[in-house]
Amino acid sequence: DAKTTQPTSMDCAEGRAANLPCNHSTISGNEYVYWYRQIHSQGPQYIIHGLKNNETNEMASLIITEDRKSSTLILPHATLRDTAVYYCIVTEAAGNKLTFGGGTRVLVKP
Amino acid sequence: GAVVSQHPSWVICKSGTSVKIECRSLDFQATTMFWYRQFPKQSLMLMATSNEGSKATYEQGVEKDKFLINHASLTLSTLTVTSAHPEDSSFYICSAPDPSGSPFFGPGTRLTVL
Repeated sequence: DAKTTQPTSMDCAEGRAANLPCNHSTISGNEYVYWYRQIHSQGPQYIIHGLKNNETNEMASLIITEDRKSSTLILPHATLRDTAVYYCIVTEAAGNKLTFGGGTRVLVKP
Repeated sequence: GAVVSQHPSWVICKSGTSVKIECRSLDFQATTMFWYRQFPKQSLMLMATSNEGSKATYEQGVEKDKFLINHASLTLSTLTVTSAHPEDSSFYICSAPDPSGSPFFGPGTRLTVL
């Protein structure tokens, strides 16, 4: 079973920030938080990952709470092309297999 | 990021035939690759772990004799669906961890069995 809980779906306005929450209350000390997104009929696309500290890259920011039991993926300026299913996954390092939950279906509206 | 390719991107075959799907890490080597399957409107389900130079490890409920995996080199893993049937129609996706350990996914292969 997936170790994360995400809302089933959410809408956001084009040009606005999209904040995607994820709960992972049973995360262990050596597990990372990974975020991927999947656009229809494509393979999942890596977005970002982190262990304890907040992370930022050209795609998004990842905010991890101090107790590591939850995190938020932030898309700073959502575009229509960001419409996708977003998956939050916890896994140990070094390329372990991933267990996918249901993800959050994000619809960016004009 | 790291690039993983799959070939073919889609395939249609007759029931009873075998289909081979290739997964390649283009700019890095991977001793381990993973094969997933995704049915319509469902999430990805891990099928097996492909290990370079040794036997693959299959998840519970996945028939190893039906889904043959060969990881012959550090950049190539193949999944062969033997004696395919319509219920094997699905989206097959592979992943490989880049040198830092982060998994990157291929674009997927759509298999349709008539």
